[in-house]
Amino acid sequence: KQEVTQIPAALSVPEGENLVLNCSFTDSAIYNLQWFRQDPGKGLTSLLLIQSSQREQTSGRLNASLDKSSGRSTLYIAASQPGDSATYLCAVGTGSNYKLTFGKGTLLTVNP
Amino acid sequence: NAGVMQNPRHLVRRRGQEARLRCSPMKGHSHVYWYRQLPEEGLKFMVYLQKENIIDESGMPKERFSAEFPKEGPSILRIQQVVRGDSAAYFCASSRLDRSSYNSPLHFGNGTRLTVT
Repeated sequence: KQEVTQIPAALSVPEGENLVLNCSFTDSAIYNLQWFRQDPGKGLTSLLLIQSSQREQTSGRLNASLDKSSGRSTLYIAASQPGDSATYLCAVGTGSNYKLTFGKGTLLTVNP
Repeated sequence: NAGVMQNPRHLVRRRGQEARLRCSPMKGHSHVYWYRQLPEEGLKFMVYLQKENIIDESGMPKERFSAEFPKEGPSILRIQQVVRGDSAAYFCASSRLDRSSYNSPLHFGNGTRLTVT
């Protein structure tokens, strides 16, 4: 059974700092890995999707890496801004691209 | 280009009543998925539907829960005889259907927050 863990559970940083969010999963036979952000009371916004054959994906100030063999992914956020404050969720597709197993998220607060 | 639309945003039901949650996928998307987020837990997969077909319902509770995606209209998640433990946020997601659909990310709606009193 796939389990996804995100560390830390909460993170508070000053504006402008570069930061790394961590995600680990127990079953390395994954289909893909997706990072989302969730704002309070809102839905999930897809940030980056990494296929199992890929090592990383980049979008603007975001970079996500994937190491299947060690069961890890990291989300790197450069030059953080207060608008980046949200909960960041890591989700792993095992056996399909739609049956995602989610972590409980990292609550990020970027202070002005 | 509207995203995934869910309604209502908030739904309050008394124990024993029925809850009906609606989801309209993004334009051009023909796959719909329902997920549930219980308090203090991560989102969990419930069901995957295409038009008029249930493809995978392995995450659905065996009783009281049903889902449909008719030829016309939104997908409906129906919960009969609700209990307090059904209180959660229910999210719908959609993806497109084409040769590369397995590469498509899931696009989520804003969810329906169900409270059972």
